Amino acid sequence: GIQVEQSPPDLILQEGANSTLRCNFSDSVNNLQWFHQNPWGQLINLFYIPSGTKQNGRLSATTVATERYSLLYISSSQTTDSGVYFCAVELGDMRFGAGTRLTVKP
Amino acid sequence: GAGVSQTPSNKVTEKGKYVELRCDPISGHTALYWYRQSLGQGPEFLIYFQGTGAADDSGLPNDRFFAVRPEGSVSTLKIQRTERGDSAVYLCASSLGGTETQYFGPGTRLLVL
Repeated sequence: GIQVEQSPPDLILQEGANSTLRCNFSDSVNNLQWFHQNPWGQLINLFYIPSGTKQNGRLSATTVATERYSLLYISSSQTTDSGVYFCAVELGDMRFGAGTRLTVKP
Repeated sequence: GAGVSQTPSNKVTEKGKYVELRCDPISGHTALYWYRQSLGQGPEFLIYFQGTGAADDSGLPNDRFFAVRPEGSVSTLKIQRTERGDSAVYLCASSLGGTETQYFGPGTRLLVL
């Protein structure tokens, strides 16, 4: 089946710093989504981005489908950005990566 | 409500018992998904409904797991003869169609003693 790899597995930032999270996938996909799972376990959809670039406030994402990767950019990080960020790809069923655990310190 | 809801929020049961977990999708969403998430891991796909029918049940781990969606809205995930290894958070998501954005519920935390 399709493999989804996220890096880094853990990331600690000082408030105000910028970061880039990466998602590599092993096959062409129909769909790619980025999610944030907050400390209470709720998964929040950030981007539906099978290709191209999107921005939403301090967050932006780019997917290069031909090279099978996606990047999530977080600028001016805040403590509320802490949690786990998941990339999920769809080719039939939806496959999640193992996530990047982000901790933003005040 | 406006989002996906799941009940119960927590369920504790004993090994060997039967449990049912319920998911209410966003109104009008035809696609419904069940996932299972173990501690420290990403969600693992279980089953996908398009309308009333299971379009893909390849993620169900064995025949103790079964899910239904009889009227194309609410879905129930059923687990027979529960085992301690079934302990996890069971997540439900819905979307407008099969390749649209998925919206997740808060999950049901199942603990099998």
